[in-house]
Amino acid sequence: DAKTTQPNSMESNEEEPVHLPCNHSTISGTDYIHWYRQLPSQGPEYVIHGLTSNVNNRMASLAIAEDRKSSTLILHRATLRDAAVYYCILRSDYKLSFGAGTTVTVRA
Amino acid sequence: DGGITQSPKYLFRKEGQNVTLSCEQNLNHDAMYWYRQDPGQGLRLIYYSQIVNDFQKGDIAEGYSVSREKKESFPLTVTSAQKNPTAFYLCASSKDRGRNQPQHFGDGTRLSIL
Repeated sequence: DAKTTQPNSMESNEEEPVHLPCNHSTISGTDYIHWYRQLPSQGPEYVIHGLTSNVNNRMASLAIAEDRKSSTLILHRATLRDAAVYYCILRSDYKLSFGAGTTVTVRA
Repeated sequence: DGGITQSPKYLFRKEGQNVTLSCEQNLNHDAMYWYRQDPGQGLRLIYYSQIVNDFQKGDIAEGYSVSREKKESFPLTVTSAQKNPTAFYLCASSKDRGRNQPQHFGDGTRLSIL
C-alpha cells in the first residue's frame, strides 16, 4: 500500500476549525483517500473519503490537491468530542491499514 | 439504529483454551472483517468474508478461525495455537469489499491472558 505521512499531533480550541494535513506522494490513480478517527478503547469511526474531487459530509470536509499527492481533512467547528486519533489511509483494495495517525487535542 | 455489536467487551483466556469473539451486524452488509490492534500499532487483518459461507485469510490468520453461516454474524475463534493473543480485536463490515466502501466498526473486544 502507498504510504501516508501525517503530523503526530495537533491542538485546537473549541469551536475553531481544524485542518489536518496528509501527504501521499506515491498515490496511484485508483487509490481512494479515506479518513477514520478513533477514541481510546473504541473502534475506529469512518469520517469521509474521496478520489479526486473535494467532498463534504455532516462530519467534515475533504480537500484533495489537484495532483492528489496531498489532502486535508477539515473539521469546521471543533468540539470536545472531536478529540481523537485521526488516520489518513490510501485504499487500493479491501484492507484498511492504519499508520500512526494524528492525535487531535481540543481545548475548551 | 443499525450497527455492529461485538461481545464481550473484555475476555480472559487461560492457557490452552479456545475462546470465541462474537460479531453481529444489522446493516445488511455483505463483507465482514476481523482486525487486530496492538498498543501503539495500526490495524492488521486477520480474516475477511465477502459473502455467506465464504471467507479468506488476511495477513495474520495463524492461530485464528472464523465462520460465516449467516450474513449477520462473523464469529472469531482465538485458538490455543495463537501464542500471543493479548490485543484489541475489532470487527468491521462494509456493503462490499470495494476500496470506495467505508468500513463500519464495532466497539471491540479486549482479550487478555490469565
